[in-house]
Amino acid sequence: GQNIDQPTEMTATEGAIVQINCTYQTSGFNGLFWYQQHAGEAPTFLSYNVLDGLEEKGRFSSFLSRSKGYSYLLLKELQMKDSASYLCGSYNQGGKLIFGQGTELSVKP
Amino acid sequence: DAGVTQSPTHLIKTRGQQVTLRCSPKSGHDTVSWYQQALGQGPQFIFQYYEEEERQRGNFPDRFSGHQFPNYSSELNVNALLLGDSALYLCASSPPGSGANVLTFGAGSRLTVL
Repeated sequence: GQNIDQPTEMTATEGAIVQINCTYQTSGFNGLFWYQQHAGEAPTFLSYNVLDGLEEKGRFSSFLSRSKGYSYLLLKELQMKDSASYLCGSYNQGGKLIFGQGTELSVKP
Repeated sequence: DAGVTQSPTHLIKTRGQQVTLRCSPKSGHDTVSWYQQALGQGPQFIFQYYEEEERQRGNFPDRFSGHQFPNYSSELNVNALLLGDSALYLCASSPPGSGANVLTFGAGSRLTVL
């Protein structure tokens, strides 16, 4: 089966750095996705990790440790527009992408 | 290039009724997945369609059924609606090929059951 756990809410200050953690248990694990979802909008793709290590993409980075079943999304130089829900999703070899409950990030001035 | 389009965007039904939601995948995509997202929750996987067949299914009752057409578009049907079926229903499409593919989501159909 698949099980994903991430914090429900986080608050950070504009210009700061925030790390959103995610733990997962997935049979036939085939990758870890992060999506961003603004209120009332569709989720949009941020990152995909299938090998251990850090993937950097501008202000956003994502890390994966397969042995620990652990990932994090790192957001640097936070902007007000980064206030959104961040969805951690694990992908199994059968082609099923399962999401956690989402982490609601609030960026304060 | 249009992304994933869903219709209707909003609808209201009463308990016991049936509803059909529609999805057109992004151009070049052949696989469609459906998700249910309750307020404040992450998307819950309902099922996935590929080559007009249901390939994967989540923990949803048989009241939830679907279909994929030869042009890759898809429908989600929910029978005997319950109040708890009120949610945003998201359709996501992905391209051909094995391995993990990035899902592109539509804006969703918001269903309210009274």
